[in-house]
Amino acid sequence: RKEVEQDPGPFNVPEGATVAFNCTYSNSASQSFFWYRQDCRKEPKLLMSVYSSGNEDGRFTAQLNRASQYISLLIRDSKLSDSATYLCVVNGDSGYALNFGKGTSLLVTP
Amino acid sequence: GAVVSQHPSRVICKSGTSVKIECRSLDFQATTMFWYRQFPKQSLMLMATSNEGSKATYEQGVEKDKFLINHASLTLSTLTVTSAHPEDSSFYICSARALMAGYTFGSGTRLTVV
Repeated sequence: RKEVEQDPGPFNVPEGATVAFNCTYSNSASQSFFWYRQDCRKEPKLLMSVYSSGNEDGRFTAQLNRASQYISLLIRDSKLSDSATYLCVVNGDSGYALNFGKGTSLLVTP
Repeated sequence: GAVVSQHPSRVICKSGTSVKIECRSLDFQATTMFWYRQFPKQSLMLMATSNEGSKATYEQGVEKDKFLINHASLTLSTLTVTSAHPEDSSFYICSARALMAGYTFGSGTRLTVV
């Protein structure tokens, strides 16, 4: 079983739509959770950290359910520039190394 | 913010040759550098964890004699792919964890072995 699992998509949505991504992780001892964004052939960039109480950053809302080992990302009012791959990331057993999901591909169309 | 500079960004080499990838932390000291590899449509997979002044820790299945890691200073870590083969073609990326700045990634190196 992979440590971090995501639906690979692709999700094709029109501009202005709301889209949600889900992620599950297998290591119950994980402490840190993130959503990263990766554009084609580029390095990942931090979108937001995910906190137990849930957190929001503009159009982006992240939720964490430790009991279910489930993380979500909600994007409201999608923009064309949101098109990218969204990586669910969890800190790993080795203390500080990150475990990455395969990513969920989003394409926002005009 | 914390910046990691990674070079080269792209390299094409012949099968059997060696390629060195450098990652430098520009404005912070990176005691630990993580090296990842990403194949097309796959997740970033941790290859090894490099600690300044000591031997790197390799993940299961990663050959330490093939992927040589050197972390001789607090600002420089290198990954050398020795005797590269076409199956080593991939996107290699380093990451460091900076105090108060979280994880910072290099811009990645796209290696193509022909």
